[in-house]
Amino acid sequence: GAGVSQSPSNKVTEKGKDVELRCDPISGHTALYWYRQSLGQGLEFLIYFQGNSAPDKSGLPSDRFSAERTGGSVSTLTIQRTQQEDSAVYLCASSESSYEQYFGPGTRLTVT
Amino acid sequence: GNSVTQMEGPVTLSEEAFLTINCTYTATGYPSLFWYVQYPGEGLQLLLKATKADDKGSNKGFEATYRKETTSFHLEKGSVQVSDSAVYFCALREMNYQLIWGAGTKLIIKP
Repeated sequence: GAGVSQSPSNKVTEKGKDVELRCDPISGHTALYWYRQSLGQGLEFLIYFQGNSAPDKSGLPSDRFSAERTGGSVSTLTIQRTQQEDSAVYLCASSESSYEQYFGPGTRLTVT
Repeated sequence: GNSVTQMEGPVTLSEEAFLTINCTYTATGYPSLFWYVQYPGEGLQLLLKATKADDKGSNKGFEATYRKETTSFHLEKGSVQVSDSAVYFCALREMNYQLIWGAGTKLIIKP
């Protein structure tokens, strides 16, 4: 079946602009995760959804970052007033409850 | 807090050589342990996992054993191939389901 998909695959934006990154999880997966992969920081957890609620937002680096999930499916990660340090690959993963996580191909964000 | 430490790369080997990539962890409870692989231009894929002490995860000729006494989960393969060239990540997961990652080890296999 279809895997986790993310869009766009690449995004170049100017500093100060807002961006939205989208994740379509595997159908039926109740849990959804956002991670960030950047040079010098490795892979960092951002936020976790169970259904539409986010019991763990501990990884969001600042209040410029927010995420939502609707209908227990698609999730959007929004970064407001982007900064150069936000440049990274943003990865989405989904899983059936506590089972293994399946990753999407990522969105490469470049802030100029 | 929880953390994962893995050996720095790149690791360069000849085809058919024996591979070990070291991974150690710090955790307050009893985590599950994972190895993920990222091939060039592709997304992260789960390679193998172990959920409790002394479990051995295995896949595609790779193996790793969950050693609680040494808090380690070293990745091994008896005979590597050029197609194994990738970045390998060790990770742990505790109750809140988020993965805590090592820094990644780039593996280069030369023919």
